[in-house]
Amino acid sequence: EADIYQTPRYLVIGTGKKITLECSQTMGHDKMYWYQQDPGMELHLIHYSYGVNSTEKGDLSSESTVSRIRTEHFPLTLESARPSHTSQYLCASSPGLAVGYQETQYFGPGTRLLVL
Amino acid sequence: GENVEQHPSTLSVQEGDSAVIKCTYSDSASNYFPWYKQELGKGPQLIIDIRSNVGEKKDQRIAVTLNKTAKHFSLHITETQPEDSAVYFCAASREQIQGAQKLVFGQGTRLTINP
Repeated sequence: EADIYQTPRYLVIGTGKKITLECSQTMGHDKMYWYQQDPGMELHLIHYSYGVNSTEKGDLSSESTVSRIRTEHFPLTLESARPSHTSQYLCASSPGLAVGYQETQYFGPGTRLLVL
Repeated sequence: GENVEQHPSTLSVQEGDSAVIKCTYSDSASNYFPWYKQELGKGPQLIIDIRSNVGEKKDQRIAVTLNKTAKHFSLHITETQPEDSAVYFCAASREQIQGAQKLVFGQGTRLTINP
């Protein structure tokens, strides 16, 4: 069982508000990821990080931003929330110990965001 | 880029019967294929994975097969139980940029086990 946490679990907020979704892991994993999951169920990678001070955009364009100041923490921020941002956001991490060997990604429970 | 197709989108089987979910991928360079199970209100959890140098892998009631030539892989669950009811996702990955990986997921299969 992976120790990866996301807060809040549910968030209802009005249009135009700034929000930050928190993600923390206690496993010392170097690699962290954010996925967006719509009601149609498919997951899409929106951001990832190799390690501290690195952030990269994923395959799905997103208006959100991320930061990686500490190994264990990978928050996602929306400067001005809109109804189109309504979705579930899932955070994941992987050890990243071995170059050339793909490792398991462990997922958090997700944050379900509703923008009114 | 990679594209993963998953079928069926819903699957209903009687308890004790087998369930099979199939995925195809487009990028022949993909070499890692995990399967995740997602229960209601939870994040996806890895149940089994396979790498391109292996054709089949088993873990108790769960097995995965990979056909690199045809670019498809399948999840097999035998002796299904009610607790197997969930949404299952396949994924494929080839990139490992500085140790990170970019998983591309299938559309998901909602599996229901009928008692």
